[in-house]
Amino acid sequence: SQQGEEDPQALSIQEGENATMNCSYKTSINNLQWYRQNSGRGLVHLILIRSNEREKHSGRLRVTLDTSKKSSSLLITASRAADTASYFCATEGAAGNKLTFGGGTRVLVKP
Amino acid sequence: DVKVTQSSRYLVKRTGEKVFLECVQDMDHENMFWYRQDPGLGLRLIYFSYDVKMKEKGDIPEGYSVSREKKERFSLILESASTNQTSMYLCASSLFGRIRGEGYTFGSGTRLTVV
Repeated sequence: SQQGEEDPQALSIQEGENATMNCSYKTSINNLQWYRQNSGRGLVHLILIRSNEREKHSGRLRVTLDTSKKSSSLLITASRAADTASYFCATEGAAGNKLTFGGGTRVLVKP
Repeated sequence: DVKVTQSSRYLVKRTGEKVFLECVQDMDHENMFWYRQDPGLGLRLIYFSYDVKMKEKGDIPEGYSVSREKKERFSLILESASTNQTSMYLCASSLFGRIRGEGYTFGSGTRLTVV
């Protein structure tokens, strides 16, 4: 079963708007990571947030983590057509180095 | 930049064939992983390895095996390919005891079709 579940499954926005997607998970984690995947390609690591952190920024990306609710959100500000991709959250459990991925959110940014 | 290279971008094999998917990374990462990705199911971990000659089963190891004879190379083997193994296969690597802020580095994927 998947550890992370993203919501929504798909998102369509206009260029310049913000895109927000959420991730929920079930068990204790060491960290939570977000990845981007362009169509038919490999995943690219975007940002990692540790279990003792609540918010993290990287460029136009903002990630929050609420361990009490077992949830995270990824905000992409001022979206661009190049942000069109699928976004995945992944959790690393307390036991070790392997990641468990959610089903992803497909984001379409219309020019 | 760390690079993870998967030997084939597209592969078509026949049912019953033995299939080798190769993955090479060039940054001395200890950890290597094989995932498969299917629509609606996300990424599922098949096998992973923390060191040479070491392997651990992931969530869906049935029908697969792996080999790690050298640190930089992690091979996924389909002993007898079946149509339900048609999928996108993704290899990834990471540092053990990861440096702060780093995640996995993925290859571009191998789209395998079993006919």
